[in-house]
Amino acid sequence: QSVLTQPPSVSAAPGQKVTISCSGSSSNIGNNYVSWYQQLPGTAPKLLIYENNKRPSGIPDRFSGSKSGTSATLGITGLQTGDEADYYCGTWDSSLSGGVFGTGTKVTVL
Amino acid sequence: EVQLVESGGGLVKPGGSLRLSCAASGFTFSSYSMNWVRQAPGKGLEWVSSISSSSSYIYYADSVKGRFTISRDNAKNSLYLQMNSLRAEDTAVYYCARGFGGSYGGVEAFDIWGQGTMVTVSS
Repeated sequence: QSVLTQPPSVSAAPGQKVTISCSGSSSNIGNNYVSWYQQLPGTAPKLLIYENNKRPSGIPDRFSGSKSGTSATLGITGLQTGDEADYYCGTWDSSLSGGVFGTGTKVTVL
Repeated sequence: EVQLVESGGGLVKPGGSLRLSCAASGFTFSSYSMNWVRQAPGKGLEWVSSISSSSSYIYYADSVKGRFTISRDNAKNSLYLQMNSLRAEDTAVYYCARGFGGSYGGVEAFDIWGQGTMVTVSS
């Protein structure tokens, strides 16, 4: 049972924008940095966003992150067919003393 | 090239044991927190365990506490996960991941992932 809640799926046409929400609590998102991961079918997760809104080298600026209170959001603009994947948010939970991931969101490009 | 390669997965009977290994290369292994994350078939990601760079801080998910032991050998650039008293619900792909961020050994992000090793617990 995941501590962080995400919508099961989102979809949009190529070139459009999608946003994925990640809801938590004061013990996790509220007091720690959030990261986001992309998992293409059959592959390992890949870091997309760290420290709420920073992109690792090589990640296009079509991907953006934000945080407000106990929620975080991943935005993908200029949607491409190659963006079809599962997306997860993650952070540390200070009360659990452990890492936590979101429930995961499947992005479909219509 | 920065790389993590897991090994040691396989088929094991309930109640059995398995030891996973993760070989790191291309970075200063001793400077980073290392972690295990698993994914059951068709399910989401589940954090399993973290160990800080010098092994000072070690954390486990409640689901594996008392059964799994994480360890590392900085001289060999290797991470390990000893899994005992395995259950059917431990069946998953186990990923080794490099971590950063957080305080007191906490990890806020995983920036390098291995390809994963499959563990199947079944009679």
